Amino acid sequence: AQSVTQLDSHVSVSEGTPVLLRCNYSSSYSPSLFWYVQHPNKGLQLLLKYTSAATLVKGINGFEAEFKKSETSFHLTKPSAHMSDAAEYFCVVSDSNTGTASKLTFGTGTRLQVTL
Amino acid sequence: DAGVTQSPTHLIKTRGQHVTLRCSPISGHKSVSWYQQVLGQGPQFIFQYYEKEERGRGNFPDRFSARQFPNYSSELNVNALLLGDSALYLCASSFFHSSNEKLFFGSGTQLSVL
Repeated sequence: AQSVTQLDSHVSVSEGTPVLLRCNYSSSYSPSLFWYVQHPNKGLQLLLKYTSAATLVKGINGFEAEFKKSETSFHLTKPSAHMSDAAEYFCVVSDSNTGTASKLTFGTGTRLQVTL
Repeated sequence: DAGVTQSPTHLIKTRGQHVTLRCSPISGHKSVSWYQQVLGQGPQFIFQYYEKEERGRGNFPDRFSARQFPNYSSELNVNALLLGDSALYLCASSFFHSSNEKLFFGSGTQLSVL
């Protein structure tokens, strides 16, 4: 069975400071890992995905994540936070052993607050 | 280009009633997935359809059913509504149905069961 654990339910940073959102995953097979962002009253948007190519994945809006198999982690980072980054962030795993289905397993989410 | 569209945006029902939620995928996408997001939690997988066939099913009771039409739009049906069915129901579309596929999500239907 696959699962993800987002280690922080809420993270608060000042504008212009680095962002770190932590995620650990569990998967019996080679996983595909994603980060999605959800702004209030908007749909989920894909930030980036890892599918066993490069371990450092660059996404949209300056976000990136590093896949560390030895630590089963896929933390999301951004060098400098912007007010518009305030949102709910979800770490997501998709097991390659789901056969022909794309079944995403979401973490419980991390709410990012950005203050002036 | 239009994104994934869902209707209605909000819905209020009472316990025991039936509800139908609708989803239109992005043009050219043949796969539609449904997710349930309870307040304060991450979305949970309900169904995936590809080319009108069910490709995956999550851990939901038989009260939940879905179908996909020849134009690739989809309906999610929930019978005998319970208070616990109150949630945001998200539809997502993609070109294919593989495990590393990028999903495009709609804004959801907010269902309240009273």
